[in-house]
Amino acid sequence: GNSVTQMEGPVTLSEEAFLTINCTYTATGYPSLFWYVQYPGEGLQLLLKATKADDKGSNKGFEATYRKETTSFHLEKGSVQVSDSAVYFCAVEGAGNMLTFGGGTRLMVKP
Amino acid sequence: SAVISQKPSRDICQRGTSLTIQCQVDSQVTMMFWYRQQPGQSLTLIATANQGSEATYESGFVIDKFPISRPNLTFSTLTVSNMSPEDSSIYLCSVDSSRQGRYNYGYTFGSGTRLTVV
Repeated sequence: GNSVTQMEGPVTLSEEAFLTINCTYTATGYPSLFWYVQYPGEGLQLLLKATKADDKGSNKGFEATYRKETTSFHLEKGSVQVSDSAVYFCAVEGAGNMLTFGGGTRLMVKP
Repeated sequence: SAVISQKPSRDICQRGTSLTIQCQVDSQVTMMFWYRQQPGQSLTLIATANQGSEATYESGFVIDKFPISRPNLTFSTLTVSNMSPEDSSIYLCSVDSSRQGRYNYGYTFGSGTRLTVV
């Protein structure tokens, strides 16, 4: 089956720092890839997505590019804010339309 | 994309009892998914529920423990039966509501049910 590996957290950054959260996956074919965010005490929200190779998903200053050759979908943001503190999940769509999630990466941004 | 209303948002239950979680979607969807998120962990798929057929359970989850109903295309329930403290988790439903052809543009999640078993 599919699998997703994310860098372990927590990741602690100062405000305005550059963020990278690594995500690699194993899957057959060309699945859709997603980043979800979970703010403290809340449910999951779709942050961005990419549906085919070389697509770049972007939202709220976050970006991730679907790299088929390296099976990666790393999340980046040029300047993080305190309000970005949350848990970020990388996910890949598999057979039967189910999602397989990575372990999640907690981001803490300090002012 | 679809909007999901999930309830209850949280509950504290006695061991040995059962809790039924409901998800109502504002549009018709073919597939609904139920996930469990144990404390500090990622999400694990419990089962996939299609209207008019038995739910499909993932390895480690059984129908006797997590019975699911899917009476129509906008509603589903998940019951956590004979609860123990190990069942304390967040339970989330999800729908695949943004598919266009073979591309999926996003899944929508309910706000989750935070269950504590004492």
